[in-house]
Amino acid sequence: KAGVTQTPRYLIKTRGQQVTLSCSPISGHRSVSWYQQTPGQGLQFLFEYFSETQRNKGNFPGRFSGRQFSNSRSEMNVSTLELGDSALYLCASSLATENEQFFGPGTRLTVL
Amino acid sequence: AQKVTQAQTEISVVEKEDVTLDCVYETRDTTYYLFWYKQPPSGELVFLIRRNSFDEQNEISGRYSWNFQKSTSSFNFTITASQVVDSAVYFCALSGMFSGGYNKLIFGAGTRLAVHP
Repeated sequence: KAGVTQTPRYLIKTRGQQVTLSCSPISGHRSVSWYQQTPGQGLQFLFEYFSETQRNKGNFPGRFSGRQFSNSRSEMNVSTLELGDSALYLCASSLATENEQFFGPGTRLTVL
Repeated sequence: AQKVTQAQTEISVVEKEDVTLDCVYETRDTTYYLFWYKQPPSGELVFLIRRNSFDEQNEISGRYSWNFQKSTSSFNFTITASQVVDSAVYFCALSGMFSGGYNKLIFGAGTRLAVHP
């Protein structure tokens, strides 16, 4: 069974631009969660989508948004990029709730 | 408050030594889940174990073992006879309804383990 895939793996943007990251969950998994990992703040939860609906949201500004499609694939978007948005963005999928979450390889975003 | 504390920032051992990574958590939930993940240099978080709050039975999987003690709010992870391939950052995590939902993981800061030949 294929694991969680994330594209692109690396991305370089400049301040003020916007970016879209993509995540394809494990086949059959309906929940997709996003996390941001930085050296200073560690791993922080961004949001969770389940059956195309945002079910949970972390404490991030409105510049961070996401969506989920009918095939469970998810995208997250960051608008008006700031230097502090440079991070590893990890996506995790799980069957539903109260199940193990499996992570993808991440997208490393650098904002210049 | 829901919180996970991994007090050990870095641990360095020589191959074949046993090593224990500590994890202490705080939660208001009566039903919650605890996790351990491994993050090798490649960056991907590798799932190791999930334990629910009603299951205090210790678990062993090969060289890995986990000791869950509700009385001390701890979920420690031991690697027996460590190997160089065990070098990674290890994260302990917690989820529960008061944490924001079972799929919202609250992570500790991680423990960087270096195993030297």
